Amino acid sequence: AQTVTQSQPEMSVQEAETVTLSCTYDTSESDYYLFWYKQPPSRQMILVIRQEAYKQQNATENRFSVNFQKAAKSFSLKISDSQLGDAAMYFCAYRSERGGGADGLTFGKGTHLIIQP
Amino acid sequence: GAVVSQHPSWVICKSGTSVKIECRSLDFQATTMFWYRQFPKQSLMLMATSNEGSKATYEQGVEKDKFLINHASLTLSTLTVTSAHPEDSSFYICSARGGAWETQYFGPGTRLLVL
Repeated sequence: AQTVTQSQPEMSVQEAETVTLSCTYDTSESDYYLFWYKQPPSRQMILVIRQEAYKQQNATENRFSVNFQKAAKSFSLKISDSQLGDAAMYFCAYRSERGGGADGLTFGKGTHLIIQP
Repeated sequence: GAVVSQHPSWVICKSGTSVKIECRSLDFQATTMFWYRQFPKQSLMLMATSNEGSKATYEQGVEKDKFLINHASLTLSTLTVTSAHPEDSSFYICSARGGAWETQYFGPGTRLLVL
């Protein structure tokens, strides 16, 4: 079974600064997707960024980028120019592709990101 | 696009009663929907995978007779918590798989409180 580990229960960053959230995972599969989801106080899950395991290039979405190290099974999220609206729980998630993408997500325990004004 | 709704958003019920939660994909067809449970200050745990027109697949440790899932159409899946007990109180979130990337789009969740 796959596992996802987020070792930082809480992170704090000054507004406009950069922060990196860590995520490691364990799998024996070679084909999978990795995701970062954001859950604000409303509890609505919002997709931040996705990464296909077969792609070497790191995904980027505006201020959000990942550092995907497949051999090390590491998938960190970097948030640049942090804004107050970035404050939320961030979950790293894994999805196997063995079922053609029809599998559910395995989530890490989450990191609570605090933005200091 | 890719909006998923859940109804109700909040429900309080007495112990022993059953509660039905609906999950709808509003602007796309979802052959697969997923049900997750999230306890306070914890992560999301996959409960079951629901495929349109077939029986749901439950994760280990999830009682299929207690959490009845029906996926009758490409836009609707329902979760019924039967004979609810206080330990079933939780936040239930559905997601629907769709779009070009087969991404999972999440509903806003349903908070269940069993008294």
